[in-house]
Amino acid sequence: GENVEQHPSTLSVQEGDSAVIKCTYSDSASNYFPWYKQELGKRPQLIIDIRSNVGEKKDQRIAVTLNKTAKHFSLHITETQPEDSAVYFCAARRGSYIPTFGRGTSLIVHP
Amino acid sequence: SQTIHQWPATLVQPVGSPLSLECTVEGTSNPNLYWYRQAAGRGLQLLFYSVGIGQISSEVPQNLSASRPQDRQFILSSKKLLLSDSGFYLCAWSSASEAFFGQGTRLTVV
Repeated sequence: GENVEQHPSTLSVQEGDSAVIKCTYSDSASNYFPWYKQELGKRPQLIIDIRSNVGEKKDQRIAVTLNKTAKHFSLHITETQPEDSAVYFCAARRGSYIPTFGRGTSLIVHP
Repeated sequence: SQTIHQWPATLVQPVGSPLSLECTVEGTSNPNLYWYRQAAGRGLQLLFYSVGIGQISSEVPQNLSASRPQDRQFILSSKKLLLSDSGFYLCAWSSASEAFFGQGTRLTVV
C-alpha cells in the first residue's frame, strides 16, 4: 500500500517568513495530492491540491510543487501570518482508493 | 452541495460504557466513508472505511466497530469503552478526489 512521510513534524517561523513542508510517497501510481489545514479543535479542511499531470500550483500565498520522478511534493507558504498557525497534513491518493495521510506538521507562526 | 454531519461534538463517557457516534452525508450517493481517530499527537489514524452499505473494512484491531446501515450513514460503536479510546474522532467521505471531514467528536473516557 501507499506510505506517506511528512517532515518536519513541527515548524516554527517568524511572521512574514516562508514555511515549507515536505512529503514523500511510495506508490508511483498515486495521482492526487491534497493538503489539509487543521486548526485547533476543528476538522481538517482542504487548502490546495495538485494532480500528477501538473508540476506546480499556486493560490495566493500558498503553493504546492510535485516531483513525480522523485515521488515528493511540498507545500510552500509565503509571508506567513499568525492565522496560518495550524497542523498541516499532506495526502496521496491513487484513483478512488483510500487517501493516505502524512503524520502532520504543526506550524507555529510567531508575531 | 454535499454536507457531512457528525455528532455529538463532545462526549464524556465512563470506562466500560457503550459508545455510538453517528455520521451522515447529504448531497451525494454511494460515497466512500471513513472513521479516523486523532489520539495524542496529530496523526490521522484510519479506523474503518466503507465503500457501500454493509461493507466495512477495519484497518487496525481495536475495541471499536463500525456499521453502515444506510448508504449515507456511518456509525462507530463500542460495547465497552477503554481509557485508551479517548481521542478526537473524525468521520469523512470522499469524492473521486478530496476528502471532506465532519466536525469531529471529542471523546473523553473517564
